[in-house]
Amino acid sequence: AQSVTQPDIHITVSEGASLELRCNYSYGATPYLFWYVQSPGQGLQLLLKYFSGDTLVQGIKGFEAEFKRSQSSFNLRKPSVHWSDAAEYFCAVVRRLNSGYSTLTFGKGTMLLVSP
Amino acid sequence: DAMVIQNPRYQVTQFGKPVTLSCSQTLNHNVMYWYQQKSSQAPKLLFHYYDKDFNNEADTPDNFQSRRPNTSFCFLDIRSPGLGDAAMYLCATSREAPLATSSYEQYFGPGTRLTVT
Repeated sequence: AQSVTQPDIHITVSEGASLELRCNYSYGATPYLFWYVQSPGQGLQLLLKYFSGDTLVQGIKGFEAEFKRSQSSFNLRKPSVHWSDAAEYFCAVVRRLNSGYSTLTFGKGTMLLVSP
Repeated sequence: DAMVIQNPRYQVTQFGKPVTLSCSQTLNHNVMYWYQQKSSQAPKLLFHYYDKDFNNEADTPDNFQSRRPNTSFCFLDIRSPGLGDAAMYLCATSREAPLATSSYEQYFGPGTRLTVT
């Protein structure tokens, strides 16, 4: 079954420093992968997605992610973190249903804390 | 702007007192989802509608029901809330066709925070 693992529950980064959040997927074929961000008390906002093609995808708010099939990873990166980036980040993979439709399976999330 | 709206944003109910959460969308998407998200956990899919077809996740308790009277609206009914049902409830939508290429992208509402006293 398709699943994603986010090995880091919390990460603290200094403002202005670079960021990398890890995501590993489990799926036999090429997965459809997403990164969402959730600010406290808010819904989820899509940062970026990967379906096929260029393995480096650009998203909103200066984020990017790289799909690496050899490592079964889809890590999220940002070169310089801003205090407003403090939030919870979820990696997700499309899960196909028997009906032919699909849904998303989310990882457990990584909470990003930004220190001054 | 097209969006997903959830009302209310905060709901307090008493133990065992039925409660209904609502979701509306202006995106004209054919699929609507309800997720439960407990503190510091991933969103957990409760059920979803593909048009009028209702799909229940196997582990969703019978205490949770849903209605979708039309394309734009979807309701989550909790018949007898327990303390363990306190959570953020997220509504999401997507446009999809079976066995066809779709965006798979889900658009989320801001959520309803449910407190059970």
